[in-house]
Amino acid sequence: EAGVAQSPRYKIIEKRQSVAFWCNPISGHATLYWYQQILGQGPKLLIQFQNNGVVDDSQLPKDRFSAERLKGVDSTLKIQPAKLEDSAVYLCASSRDRDYEQYFGPGTRLTVT
Amino acid sequence: QKEVEQDPGPLSVPEGAIVSLNCTYSNSAFQYFMWYRQYSRKGPELLMYTYSSGNKEDGRFTAQVDKSSKYISLFIRDSQPSDSATYLCATGYSSASKIIFGSGTRLSIRP
Repeated sequence: EAGVAQSPRYKIIEKRQSVAFWCNPISGHATLYWYQQILGQGPKLLIQFQNNGVVDDSQLPKDRFSAERLKGVDSTLKIQPAKLEDSAVYLCASSRDRDYEQYFGPGTRLTVT
Repeated sequence: QKEVEQDPGPLSVPEGAIVSLNCTYSNSAFQYFMWYRQYSRKGPELLMYTYSSGNKEDGRFTAQVDKSSKYISLFIRDSQPSDSATYLCATGYSSASKIIFGSGTRLSIRP
C-alpha cells in the first residue's frame, strides 16, 4: 500500500509571498488532515476533511490559510500572504475510519524569510 | 495549561536499557491514548494506542494509562539504536474525534 504523498518536500519563500502544498492520501482513506508542526512542538491540527466536507477548521488562520479537497481525494493547503511565524513543517495525514490511527506523509518544510 | 504535557528531553540511554517515556493530560474526558514515533525529517507513525485505562504490550513496547492520575507511559525494553527518535503522546475523546499531541520527547539510544 502506497503511503501519503506530499510535495514539495522543501520550500523557501519571502514573507508576504504565497505558497501551496499538495497532498495525496492513501487510497480509500476518507479522512484527510493538515497539521502544522513548529520546531520542538507536536503537530497542531489545522483542518480535517471527511471526503469533500470540512469537519474541523477551528485552528486554521482563515485570513491567510485556505485548503480544499477536490473529489474527496487530493488536497491543497495554501498560505497567502506568508508570515515569518508560518515557518514550520506542514504534515498531511489520512485515516480510513478511526481518528487515532492516522498515517502521515513526510511533510513539507517551509521557511519564510 | 496545555491539554497534554510531555518532557521534551533529550533523553539519552545506553543500548539495552529500559526506557520510560511519560505524559500527563488535563481532561478526564479523554478516552483514547496513543504513542507516535517520529524519526528526523519524517512524519509521525502510530506505535500503539490504548482505550481507557490499563496496559497494552506489543513486542518490546508497553503502553500504560492511569486515568486516576491522568498519566500516560510508554516503556521500551531492550532499547536499540534504531529506537532513537522523537516520541509523541496523543489523546482523543473518541475514535472519531481529533487527537491532541504532546510536544514530544527526543530519545537517543547510545550503542
